[in-house]
Amino acid sequence: QQPVQSPQAVILREGEDAVINCSSSKALYSVHWYRQKHGEAPVFLMILLKGGEQKGHEKISASFNEKKQQSSLYLTASQLSYSGTYFCGTEISGNDMRFGAGTRLTVKP
Amino acid sequence: SAVISQKPSRDICQRGTSLTIQCQVDSQVTMMFWYRQQPGQSLTLIATANQGSEATYESGFVIDKFPISRPNLTFSTLTVSNMSPEDSSIYLCSVAGSGQGYGYTFGSGTRLTVV
Repeated sequence: QQPVQSPQAVILREGEDAVINCSSSKALYSVHWYRQKHGEAPVFLMILLKGGEQKGHEKISASFNEKKQQSSLYLTASQLSYSGTYFCGTEISGNDMRFGAGTRLTVKP
Repeated sequence: SAVISQKPSRDICQRGTSLTIQCQVDSQVTMMFWYRQQPGQSLTLIATANQGSEATYESGFVIDKFPISRPNLTFSTLTVSNMSPEDSSIYLCSVAGSGQGYGYTFGSGTRLTVV
């Protein structure tokens, strides 16, 4: 039930864009995105529910393709503060969150 | 979103002993979740704890090794029993958001080292 996340790691320069992908073999109730900085707990970024709605705020947005059970996280004009490990989390029926393997994002000056 | 107080933040334990991790939530929640995260890896769900019923364990985790208590709607404990070095990990408790559109909130984690 664990979603498949790619890429494993990304290195960017400030101002560059990145896309992180997440896919599931099962029909999903929701997709979550979290960012975890070293030594800290994961922090919720956004949730996408069934319906294909794209969500986001400022330079971080996400989409959910319900037909393909795929979600993508878009990081635009990256900042140093974006560095961390990004996890997608998927729910099949609600309250059954499973996390992908994570994508380590490094933003360099 | 809920605020979770988790303790201890870290501990070093001798093999064969047990450690109990506590999580206190600032609001009433139906379900609490316990995850394990090994260094540099993803979060693995250990069990889901409902108040007033037995916890539901994921494949590979058993109650004798990871007993959970859920005495009320704001508190839960996870015990790591008869520890071995393989149990060294970060343990996190979590609660789901209170409505649609809200994500999970995590405790700050317990970094456990078994020697």
